[in-house]
Amino acid sequence: GESVGLHLPTLSVQEGDNSIINCAYSNSASDYFIWYKQESGKGPQFIIDIRSNMDKRQGQRVTVLLNKTVKHLSLQIAATQPGDSAVYFCAENKDNQGGKLIFGQGTELSVKP
Amino acid sequence: ETGVTQSPTHLIKTRGQQVTLRCSSQSGHNTVSWYQQALGQGPQFIFQYYREEENGRGNFPPRFSGLQFPNYSSELNVNALELDDSALYLCASSFSEGPYEQYFGPGTRLTVT
Repeated sequence: GESVGLHLPTLSVQEGDNSIINCAYSNSASDYFIWYKQESGKGPQFIIDIRSNMDKRQGQRVTVLLNKTVKHLSLQIAATQPGDSAVYFCAENKDNQGGKLIFGQGTELSVKP
Repeated sequence: ETGVTQSPTHLIKTRGQQVTLRCSSQSGHNTVSWYQQALGQGPQFIFQYYREEENGRGNFPPRFSGLQFPNYSSELNVNALELDDSALYLCASSFSEGPYEQYFGPGTRLTVT
């Protein structure tokens, strides 16, 4: 069936290092992808999105890369800070109309000071 | 912080009871989606409301129902509660005409005993 999954459930990095969180998706028809950050006790927070006609998109300290050939999505966080510690989810939007989002399991990022 | 609000924050119900959760969308957003997030899992799409009608539904039974009001706020109703309904219920608002990113509220933690 359709799914969006993550390669690693946990990731531990040193403060100041760069972090890379990976995501695999199985539905080649998907055309819109979003990364969310969820801190304990809070709802998911929008980080960055990318459409299938793009390979790369940059935000503030974050970059999302999309490789449609291998159906792979990654989130890069530059100069990781303790405040970046959270669970990160990739989500797939199938109809590009703000409809159903399919979420993966999530990767817990832990930043060591 | 998004402009999406949810109430109540926490709720404890007994198996077989009914519950109503409420969501106010972010200003300018006309679409509301509801998600269920079990502990340690990614959010799962329940359904979406647009123009006061259901606009897409996930794999949830009919005892999960909803409403959207003219001011775009929404309710999620769950009848005949089961123990497995214990979860964080999230609503997300978006604008149907784009951009399509969904902004989440803080969620309602429902515990069914």
